[in-house]
Amino acid sequence: GNSVTQMEGPVTLSEEAFLTINCTYTATGYPSLFWYVQYPGEGLQLLLKATKADDKGSNKGFEATYRKETTSFHLEKGSVQVSDSAVYFCALTGTASKLTFGTGTRLQVTL
Amino acid sequence: NAGVTQTPKFQVLKTGQSMTLQCAQDMNHEYMSWYRQDPGMGLRLIHYSVGAGITDQGEVPNGYNVSRSTTEDFPLRLLSAAPSQTSVYFCASSRTRALSSGNTIYFGEGSWLTVV
Repeated sequence: GNSVTQMEGPVTLSEEAFLTINCTYTATGYPSLFWYVQYPGEGLQLLLKATKADDKGSNKGFEATYRKETTSFHLEKGSVQVSDSAVYFCALTGTASKLTFGTGTRLQVTL
Repeated sequence: NAGVTQTPKFQVLKTGQSMTLQCAQDMNHEYMSWYRQDPGMGLRLIHYSVGAGITDQGEVPNGYNVSRSTTEDFPLRLLSAAPSQTSVYFCASSRTRALSSGNTIYFGEGSWLTVV
């Protein structure tokens, strides 16, 4: 079946540092890939998505590129802020009606 | 601009009690679903619906019941609560069931349930 593997957290960075959160996946066919963000006490919000190989999703300074050859969708940001502290989930859809999530990576950004 | 609304936000139940988590969306979405979020396990799909009158099981359906009598509402029922059902529950909706095409899924703010 489909699966998503994310790097273990928590990730602690100083403000303005470069962020990478690794995500790799296993899926049949051609899944769409997503990053969701969950701020403390809130639900999940879509951060960015990519629906085909080599697509780059971007939003709020975050980027991720759909790499079919390495089955990866790593999240990056050039300069993180304290307000980026949250839990980040990588996810994919393979079958029409199911979203498969990774376990989440907690990011803590300090001044 | 309500989006997906879940109630209650917090609930404590005793083992064996039943309760219903309510979910409503005002976006005329066909697709609705329930997930539970547990530490170290991400979100797991409990049940989903692709339209009024149609429901189906997800990964972890045991102990939960759903119905979809209207497009707007998708309640989740715990028939006899167990401590293993202590979790955070999220309702989600999407315009269509075609999630594989990159359709955006909108999540509610979550319901924190503790079963003692």
